[in-house]
Amino acid sequence: DIVMTQTPLSSPVTLGQPASISCRSSQSLVHSDGNTYLSWLQQRPGQPPRLLIYKISNRFSGVPDRFSGSGAGTDFTLKISRVEAEDVGVYYCMQATQFPLTFGGGTKVEIK
Amino acid sequence: QVQLVESGGGVVQPGGSLRLSCAASGFTFSNFDMHWVRQVPGKGLEWVSFVRYDGSSRDYAESLKGRFTISRDNSKDTLYLQMNSLRAEDTAVYYCAKSCSGGNCYPDSWGQGTLVTVSS
Repeated sequence: DIVMTQTPLSSPVTLGQPASISCRSSQSLVHSDGNTYLSWLQQRPGQPPRLLIYKISNRFSGVPDRFSGSGAGTDFTLKISRVEAEDVGVYYCMQATQFPLTFGGGTKVEIK
Repeated sequence: QVQLVESGGGVVQPGGSLRLSCAASGFTFSNFDMHWVRQVPGKGLEWVSFVRYDGSSRDYAESLKGRFTISRDNSKDTLYLQMNSLRAEDTAVYYCAKSCSGGNCYPDSWGQGTLVTVSS
């Protein structure tokens, strides 16, 4: 199985300031079709997960442009350019390049 | 818009069985692959199972093979998860998730989840 490792575990951020979350996979996420199936999910308190970013850097429908994804191969980053109160929650990276799908352990974004 | 509504969760004794359902609407269910993902309260996400849009292919987390069975009824726009020989460690919120369209894909929409508690 592909192991997904996220850092940091927790990220206290001041409103309006940027936040960054890293995700590393135990092997390359490049699929045989040439795509890299790395997604980022947001889970607000008491809510189900919500897709933010797919295939490294594509924002899903309705996702604000303050969220951006980057990376390649085994190293990926989610950035929030200016954190807002509604961004509080846990963020997960997820790989869908290979079954079983696997998730990072989560990064809690909270307001300082 | 996409709506996924899980049901069937509850309290069950160890060794018991439950069948979860996920009613889909807002999209052509029969065209999309589907997943089940679970989450122990306060913990991370764990992929459970996958079924192809036409039911022709299924996959499971290795630790669940032989106990859980995924199925779908495209005439009813409903996804199922039959869970047998339940253990305390199966206690979790179970989410159904719709896959994106085309080729190799990933979950792009999630239901609200249904809580399964395995306890005597």
